[in-house]
Amino acid sequence: GQQVMQIPQYQHVQEGEDFTTYCNSSTTLSNIQWYKQRPGGHPVFLIQLVKSGEVKKQKRLTFQFGEAKKNSSLHITATQTTDVGTYFCAGGPTDSWGKLQFGAGTQVVVTP
Amino acid sequence: GAGVSQSPSNKVTEKGKDVELRCDPISGHTALYWYRQRLGQGLEFLIYFQGNSAPDKSGLPSDRFSAERTGESVSTLTIQRTQQEDSAVYLCASSPQVGVNEKLLFGSGTQLSVL
Repeated sequence: GQQVMQIPQYQHVQEGEDFTTYCNSSTTLSNIQWYKQRPGGHPVFLIQLVKSGEVKKQKRLTFQFGEAKKNSSLHITATQTTDVGTYFCAGGPTDSWGKLQFGAGTQVVVTP
Repeated sequence: GAGVSQSPSNKVTEKGKDVELRCDPISGHTALYWYRQRLGQGLEFLIYFQGNSAPDKSGLPSDRFSAERTGESVSTLTIQRTQQEDSAVYLCASSPQVGVNEKLLFGSGTQLSVL
């Protein structure tokens, strides 16, 4: 079955630095979504990518969908303390739109 | 309602007891999803509903787990004969429909602790 893997599992970042988290699927995806979960909270939708090679930006966050639609990345520039949380990617299989498979997440800790 | 509502927010039960977890989706959302999140882990897909039907039950961990939805509204996840390994946060989400462009809106979850 489809598996979605994320690396790294943990990311310690100095405030102001940039970092990237990666998401890889064992199968081709129809779409990929990114969610953010603050400590003690629930996942909140950030963005969705659908097209091969698509790039979207939200302020300091840049999301990319691979050409083969099997991988994605999230790049955060000038990290702030408000970026603390766990970032999940979620892949939509091509044969079952309702079965969104989440990766294990990248937990981000920001040091002031 | 304004958002996805789950109840109870916390549930402590003894091993072997049955529990029911409730989810009230956003009004008008035909798609409803259940996920499980163990401490420090990612989200594990359990089941989704399109209307009152569950096209894919393959994520349910065992036959002790069941879910139903009525009136294209409230859903109940039932765990029979609970085990300690069932301890987790159970998250419910809804979306207007099932489709490629649908984002999931999550509730705050039910923290289940099996003693």
